[in-house]
Amino acid sequence: GQQLNQSPQSMFIQEGEDVSMNCTSSSIFNTWLWYKQDPGEGPVLLIALYKAGELTSNGRLTAQFGITRKDSFLNISASIPSDVGIYFCAGQLWGNQFYFGTGTSLTVIP
Amino acid sequence: SQTIHQWPATLVQPVGSPLSLECTVEGTSNPNLYWYRQAAGRGLQLLFYSVGIGQISSEVPQNLSASRPQDRQFILSSKKLLLSDSGFYLCAWRRPAGYTFGSGTRLTVV
Repeated sequence: GQQLNQSPQSMFIQEGEDVSMNCTSSSIFNTWLWYKQDPGEGPVLLIALYKAGELTSNGRLTAQFGITRKDSFLNISASIPSDVGIYFCAGQLWGNQFYFGTGTSLTVIP
Repeated sequence: SQTIHQWPATLVQPVGSPLSLECTVEGTSNPNLYWYRQAAGRGLQLLFYSVGIGQISSEVPQNLSASRPQDRQFILSSKKLLLSDSGFYLCAWRRPAGYTFGSGTRLTVV
């Protein structure tokens, strides 16, 4: 299947700092999703992107659909302890199966 | 309302014992359902998906099997568990905007 690479694999940041992570693919997608997984829970959808170049926000989170359609980015501003978890990207091409990224583990130090 | 249920939440089973995890969806008909496994709190590995009753597609050869006995029920099974079957199992329902995940089952094989 498709391989989506997320970077970085892990992040340890101080509370209040901004966070940036990205997801890259060897194939183009027409839909990008970003999920957050709290420890011991199932992933929850944060943001959905449907058009190249699209920039969408959800509170302190902002995600962008890359121009090349092969990447996507997620930023978190002014991080707080409850931002801790694993963040997954997922890509889809024309109604086919979604492919998930390898995940970015975020730790926020109070 | 549309919801997805998964149980049990945690399970400790001896090697060689059988397994049955259940996932049900409410508020919809003929959902596309998925079973994922997550090892060590990281990437999501697709195990099975089903587009309808009795229709199962397997992504990877393994010790597990899946069944779709009813429209909104998806079951993950094993006749004899292995140590390597330990992990976090997630059921997911594919919706137009992406996947909605169940709360997960933590399986420990001892």
